[in-house]
Formats: sequence, C-alpha cells, structure tokens
Amino acid sequence: KNQVEQSPQSLIILEGKNCTLQCNYTVSPFSNLRWYKQDTGRGPVSLTIMTFSENTKSNGRYTATLDADTKQSSLHITASQLSDSASYICVVSASNTGNQFYFGTGTSLTVIP
Amino acid sequence: DTAVSQTPKYLVTQMGNDKSIKCEQNLGHDTMYWYKQDSKKFLKIMFSYNNKELIINETVPNRFSPKSPDKAHLNLHINSLELGDSAVYFCASSRSLLGSTDTQYFGPGTRLTVL
Repeated sequence: KNQVEQSPQSLIILEGKNCTLQCNYTVSPFSNLRWYKQDTGRGPVSLTIMTFSENTKSNGRYTATLDADTKQSSLHITASQLSDSASYICVVSASNTGNQFYFGTGTSLTVIP
Repeated sequence: DTAVSQTPKYLVTQMGNDKSIKCEQNLGHDTMYWYKQDSKKFLKIMFSYNNKELIINETVPNRFSPKSPDKAHLNLHINSLELGDSAVYFCASSRSLLGSTDTQYFGPGTRLTVL
C-alpha cells in the first residue's frame, strides 16, 4: 500500500536552533518527493522537489535529503526563525498511470522566542 | 497579481444547499487541482484537470463536480451539502502533471462550513 508517514507529528524549538523533520514512504514506483510549508490559514508553498537521482537539495535555510534505497527523506531547518512556525508536508509522486501522489499528515513546527 | 485565486474565501451554508467555489490561475499552467483539507490538516486530492480534461478523480462523492470552462479556470460545484463537507478546499495549478518536477502553486483556500 502506498503511504507517506511523517514524524514527529509536532515539534517545538527555540528560535535560532536547528531541527530535522522526517518522511518515510512506501510509494512505488517512485517519481519525486516534495516538501511543502503551510502557514496557518494559507495554502501550501513548495520548498523543494527531488527526483530519484538527487539526494540533497537546499532552499535557503531549508535542506532536504532523499535516500531512495531506504525510502526516507528529511527536511533540515537551520537557524530557525519565528516565521518558520508552520506545518511541513511531505508529498511523494508515483510514476505510474495517472501520476498519483500521496500526502503525509504533516509535522507542525512551532518556533518560540 | 495573485497567481492562483479562489472565491469565496469563506462560505457558510445550510445542509442540503448547492454551492460553487471558483478558481482561477494566471500562470498559463495546463494542470489544475482541487484538494480538501480536513480538520486534522490532512490534504487529500479530489480532482485534477489537464488541458480541460479530467485526469485524476479520487473517490469523492458524485455530489462534487468540477467544471473547467478553460485552462485558466477550475470551479468546484457541490450539490446537497452535508455536514462532513465542512473543510478547507484548496485549488492548485502546475505547468504539467506532478509526475514531472514542476512546482505546484496553491490558492489561499476556501473555508466551507456546513450548518
């Protein structure tokens, strides 16, 4: 069964600290993996998109990694800011007919001063 | 110059009514989507249109009907609204289907409350 699981479900960190969010998936055949940031009351915003051959991609203070062998991805946030408080959603696309894609339930991150 | 816009932002209605949510994108994209986000923040795709043709139709009730008059618009019509339809509905677009690496752009969402 194609699934995407994220951990932790929620996380609270101090401003300035680093953190890492996890995404494990069982989607097959794999096409790509995306990380989104969703602020409260807004639509998700794309952070990174990674294909099978990519194992690291950065977007400012956000760095995503992908291990296609173990079917794991992580999103590392460096020097967190209050504005990083949001939900982070992992989405995996399958490359079969219909281009199905599967959403994780998200990690809610709260950055406190 | 919002890329993906939705109207209305909030919609409060009685059970049994019929309502529509409109979506427009000015990015020149070929593919548009409708998502439902429930109270637990879980996003679930409902429909996808590529060049005005339905590509993905997840197992949603047939009370929900997407209508795409042209590539820039994908409206969502809901008949006989039920309490369980209360959620935030997001429209999105991308240059092509998500099997590619095209970025997907989301609208601001429409919060639907059924009383």
